Amino acid sequence: EAAVTQSPRSKVAVTGGKVTLSCHQTNNHDYMYWYRQDTGHGLRLIHYSYVADSTEKGDIPDGYKASRPSQENFSLILELASLSQTAVYFCASSDWTGGYAEQFFGPGTRLTVL
Amino acid sequence: AQSVDQPDAHVTLSEGASLELRCSYSYSAAPYLFWYVQYPGQSLQFLLKYITGDTVVKGTKGFEAEFRKSNSSFNLKKSPAHWSDSAKYFCALVSGGSNYKLTFGKGTLLTVTP
Repeated sequence: EAAVTQSPRSKVAVTGGKVTLSCHQTNNHDYMYWYRQDTGHGLRLIHYSYVADSTEKGDIPDGYKASRPSQENFSLILELASLSQTAVYFCASSDWTGGYAEQFFGPGTRLTVL
Repeated sequence: AQSVDQPDAHVTLSEGASLELRCSYSYSAAPYLFWYVQYPGQSLQFLLKYITGDTVVKGTKGFEAEFRKSNSSFNLKKSPAHWSDSAKYFCALVSGGSNYKLTFGKGTLLTVTP
């Protein structure tokens, strides 16, 4: 079965600090995505990637960077964490058919910025 | 720009009743439409999708959805509903081309009372 794992599962960070969220998939999928979920909202796309060493901006990329060093790994980096970045972050993957394919989601990382 | 609207933030019904969760979309081209479910404290799971062809698509867990181009809707249905269907349901739209981004609605929280 498809597997997407995320680490850490929860994190408390200080304002202005650097935060790195990691995602690992064993699905052999080409596409990987980072979303954030805020209370009362759906998921919003931050960054995505369809090949290693390349990332693309999603709908809300400001304040975030992404890194895809290999097909299996995709990281989300908050260089200067802010209170507004408190949210639950989900990583997902899908196969090469992209839009035709369902996305497989990780368990999420709950980030609290104080 | 594409958008997805789920007009009902919360739906409550009794076990055994029929459920229908509404979703409407705005997109200039042919849409790829998805439904995902998020059980309390869990990540998102794929339910079903419409790409092309039959306008009624069947998915997992006994759910089906009907695509209606005439009114830009993709409503999720199940009969009868079970208490275990209580969850948050998200409708999503994929933009085509080479940019396989999912745009989510805000979700509908379904409560099925025993």
